[in-house]
Amino acid sequence: NAGVTQTPKFRILKIGQSMTLQCTQDMNHNYMYWYRQDPGMGLKLIYYSVGAGITDKGEVPNGYNVSRSTTEDFPLRLELAAPSQTSVYFCASSSPPVSASTDTQYFGPGTRLTVL
Amino acid sequence: AQTVTQSQPEMSVQEAETVTLSCTYDTSENNYYLFWYKQPPSRQMILVIRQEAYKQQNATENRFSVNFQKAAKSFSLKISDSQLGDTAMYFCAFSHGSSNTGKLIFGQGTTLQVKP
Repeated sequence: NAGVTQTPKFRILKIGQSMTLQCTQDMNHNYMYWYRQDPGMGLKLIYYSVGAGITDKGEVPNGYNVSRSTTEDFPLRLELAAPSQTSVYFCASSSPPVSASTDTQYFGPGTRLTVL
Repeated sequence: AQTVTQSQPEMSVQEAETVTLSCTYDTSENNYYLFWYKQPPSRQMILVIRQEAYKQQNATENRFSVNFQKAAKSFSLKISDSQLGDTAMYFCAFSHGSSNTGKLIFGQGTTLQVKP
């Protein structure tokens, strides 16, 4: 299993450009998440999904959009990039969190995005 | 809203010694989960240890153990026999037990340096 994969690893955008961060998991997990990590800070939830066709906002959703057409993929779309979106973006997935013994989020390696 | 606070931005410890990282959280719920994640320079997020709030017994994983004080809303991580590979940023995280979405709320992180 590859686990959670993210592409690209690095990207530089100009202000106002758009891009999609890709996330794929091969563990057949229903739950997927997008977090951002600003320098020296903890992760903050952008969007999450509890299954194909179902998405919901997290703590910091402004400026982003998501879709979940398949169980495996959960792309994050940035429209009109701004310098405030400079961050490291992490995708994660998990099985239904029925108990802490199974509630483990598996994280991708992250995408470092710089907006200039 | 739930919050997670890590009051130690940076800590250091000599190799083979013991170090304790602090974490406090705020919630009105009775059912929840707590986690410690490790983020080495590679940026990969690695689960270190988890604790179910309904369990009184403190979780342990090899050299890692927690001191869970539910009434005080405190969840500290003790690393025994510190190794150079423990050098990383450590995040405390909270997950609701009742919402069943698995969303994680992270603290700001503590950077730990293990010195030879």
